[in-house]
Amino acid sequence: GENVEQHPSTLSVQEGDSAVIKCTYSDSASNYFPWYKQELGKRPQLIIDIRSNVGEKKDQRIAVTLNKTAKHFSLHITETQPEDSAVYFCAAYSGAGSYQLTFGKGTKLSVIP
Amino acid sequence: DGGITQSPKYLFRKEGQNVTLSCEQNLNHDAMYWYRQDPGQGLRLIYYSQIVNDFQKGDIAEGYSVSREKKESFPLTVTSAQKNPTAFYLCASSIQSQGAGYGYTFGSGTRLTVV
Repeated sequence: GENVEQHPSTLSVQEGDSAVIKCTYSDSASNYFPWYKQELGKRPQLIIDIRSNVGEKKDQRIAVTLNKTAKHFSLHITETQPEDSAVYFCAAYSGAGSYQLTFGKGTKLSVIP
Repeated sequence: DGGITQSPKYLFRKEGQNVTLSCEQNLNHDAMYWYRQDPGQGLRLIYYSQIVNDFQKGDIAEGYSVSREKKESFPLTVTSAQKNPTAFYLCASSIQSQGAGYGYTFGSGTRLTVV
């Protein structure tokens, strides 16, 4: 089945700097890659996603890039703000397996004012 | 207001007691999922259902049971066989497709504590 590795597990950045979180996946049939943000004690919420026919997608300060050849995708947050502090999860959907998302273990991002 | 509702928000269980967590969605999603989250940990899949009257075990199904009698509802029972049930439980739902993937919508969670 699909295996998703996420790095780093913790990340601290100064306010205003950029943050990058990377994920790798194992199943070449995976075709959908969402990112979730979970604030402390809250539900995970979808913040951005990308499909395999696209290499990059941007939404204001957040962008996701996908390299299908290398089987990795990354979340980029620019001009970080304290409210960006949360746990971020990547996930991959395989259309040739169990037809569900496989999640990474999460990255705890701390933005230092 | 479409969404997915979990209840109760907080639940306390005594040793040897079964408890049931409720999950209801009005998004017309076919697929529903239950995850367990321990402090500082990721999401671990307990059970999932891709169609009414059918469900599959996830990675940590032991000590848990589910039913899917209606499309809108996917209750989770934590049985006395689950020796360490204290955790944050998240329910999710999604469009079911065997081709393209879709994101999950999560409920707000139930925090279960053994007393």
